Amino acid sequence: NAGVMQNPRHLVRRRGQEARLRCSPMKGHSHVYWYRQLPEEGLKFMVYLQKENIIDESGMPKERFSAEFPKEGPSILRIQQVVRGDSAAYFCASSPSGGGNNQPQHFGDGTRLSIL
Amino acid sequence: GENVEQHPSTLSVQEGDSAVIKCTYSDSASNYFPWYKQELGKGPQLIIDIRSNVGEKKDQRIAVTLNKTAKHFSLHITETQPEDSAVYFCAPAFTGGGNKLTFGTGTQLKVEL
Repeated sequence: NAGVMQNPRHLVRRRGQEARLRCSPMKGHSHVYWYRQLPEEGLKFMVYLQKENIIDESGMPKERFSAEFPKEGPSILRIQQVVRGDSAAYFCASSPSGGGNNQPQHFGDGTRLSIL
Repeated sequence: GENVEQHPSTLSVQEGDSAVIKCTYSDSASNYFPWYKQELGKGPQLIIDIRSNVGEKKDQRIAVTLNKTAKHFSLHITETQPEDSAVYFCAPAFTGGGNKLTFGTGTQLKVEL
């Protein structure tokens, strides 16, 4: 009964490189959320996706950041041309359905991204 | 957008004592009120949640109370144990808006022997 799986757990990139973070939701869950956590802070919402659809990307920077949740495979959060300020822990959560049905979100253990 | 505050930011109690953490939110449309526990190096773990049509919910040593009029809800932990030591976050949401959680700033709870 696997929970939300994120990989890699730790990722180190140099400035200007690309970072790809993966999230496999819990079995039976079709809704995925990405959050970012800076040190000593709470999580901040980035994007909410269903299979093949972005529902809400209001928390995601307009440039360099993109997210997808294809029909097959994990959800991907992609950060292009990374900068030092992108260093953070990125968490993925999943739920069986969306907000209208009041389904709780269950989180993975995150990817810690460090930019050199 | 939603403005969420938690108090206190740190809380130290003796084992066996009770702990109470308060969360104040600004968006009157919020109708879902979860509490998460985060241990070092881990993701947030849902420990209890409450909907807006209920004033209180209890699960063993953990309870949540909601005051919608005053726009705050509280986490109550009784008979605290060392393994309760962690950072606790409230994260109110408006489920009609996609269930986007707005996390508070967190409360570091330390249970001392």
